[in-house]
Amino acid sequence: DSGVTQTPKHLITATGQRVTLRCSPRSGDLSVYWYQQSLDQGLQFLIQYYNGEERAKGNILERFSAQQFPDLHSELNLSSLELGDSALYFCASSPAGGRSEKLFFGSGTQLSVL
Amino acid sequence: AQSVTQLDSQVPVFEEAPVELRCNYSSSVSVYLFWYVQYPNQGLQLLLKYLSGSTLVKGINGFEAEFNKSQTSFHLRKPSVHISDTAEYFCAVSLKTSYDKVIFGPGTSLSVIP
Repeated sequence: DSGVTQTPKHLITATGQRVTLRCSPRSGDLSVYWYQQSLDQGLQFLIQYYNGEERAKGNILERFSAQQFPDLHSELNLSSLELGDSALYFCASSPAGGRSEKLFFGSGTQLSVL
Repeated sequence: AQSVTQLDSQVPVFEEAPVELRCNYSSSVSVYLFWYVQYPNQGLQLLLKYLSGSTLVKGINGFEAEFNKSQTSFHLRKPSVHISDTAEYFCAVSLKTSYDKVIFGPGTSLSVIP
């Protein structure tokens, strides 16, 4: 158990809908990272937050947004969903200081867009 | 921008045989290097990392990797594999100057044959 909690584990929705994925980092970790894993794109970095502030941005679509709350949990919002958004979405956290020397991954949220 | 290449998408190997999973990276500045493993239906977990110092790095489960700066490689090796090593292996890189983003390679699927 990595200590990173992601909910829900599975999510099935329809095209055009909006969903929210939730992540609770390990106790004491200030950084949260979001990744998208799909068969054709592999593991893609989406975005990183550190202590509530956006720290780094990767290949995140404009239809996607994220935030980190004062209690350090993070949410990834996906809107106007398309079939191609079906993927496994991982959250990871890293120890205080924002260094990515070691990421602790959650078990992921499997999103299926029908 | 940095990138990671894993030339072998699938590597089958017999149990107790040695294995090498190849990783090459591209970056104009110094980097940190990582190997992560993903077992079926789980999140990723860190196998080993190279930050500085000795170029031969030992990780968990008997794996080791060697950093070769001139060849920009960080190949992962194990002298004798077990069935339980069957998993997806990801090489990853982050910049020393800005270690916010961890960029992952496409992954290598290791299948250990009994």
